[in-house]
Amino acid sequence: QVQLQESGPELVKPSQTLSLTCAVSGTSISSGTYFWNWIRQPAGKGLEWIGRIGRVYSGGGTRYTPSFEGRVTISMDTSKNQVSLTLTSVTAADTATYYCARGDGNYRGFDPWGQGIRVTVSS
Amino acid sequence: DVQLTQSPSFLSASIGDTVTITCRASQDIRNSLAWYQQRPGMAPSLLIVLASILQSDVPSRFSGSGSGTQFTLTIDSLQPQDFATYYCQQLQIYPLSFGGGTKVQIK
Repeated sequence: QVQLQESGPELVKPSQTLSLTCAVSGTSISSGTYFWNWIRQPAGKGLEWIGRIGRVYSGGGTRYTPSFEGRVTISMDTSKNQVSLTLTSVTAADTATYYCARGDGNYRGFDPWGQGIRVTVSS
Repeated sequence: DVQLTQSPSFLSASIGDTVTITCRASQDIRNSLAWYQQRPGMAPSLLIVLASILQSDVPSRFSGSGSGTQFTLTIDSLQPQDFATYYCQQLQIYPLSFGGGTKVQIK
């Protein structure tokens, strides 16, 4: 059974860098054709796809939503079997619950999702 | 970018009702559409892939249809556990995107 677990600081100061980790268990992140995604959701609002990373041989590499370009980096650590999100120069608008989720690379949606981590940007 | 417009945004219904949610895409996304259910305080859960294929553990009262730019999610005979927010997502064109959500509330 594949499981994802987000972790990281829940409070980040404005202008600083938000760094989150998604620990994956039950499968290797370097196997198959899967993509690993980050999505966020401000309280009471909808879902916003941030970006994804996949293995090169599976047509991978990184893709990001343009509004995050220049501020966001998604990376993989295959030795730790985890995926990371880094978002620089954060503002209050980046306050949200952040989720990681697996995508199958065949247009079939994201499954499973992590439970999410609520991050607040405040001084 | 592909905009997904869900309607309605809110829906009040009774247990046993049949409800339909629409998702319209601003561009042709073929059948690369997924539907999710999100209960309060929980992560989204995948219901339907490729517009009409139910995930294995999803009850058969859920169904999806459509292709191109028009899609629908139908829930037959609403059950108490179905009162939640539903999102569509397109996976055809980058950047990937979600609809704004439809909250199904108890009447």
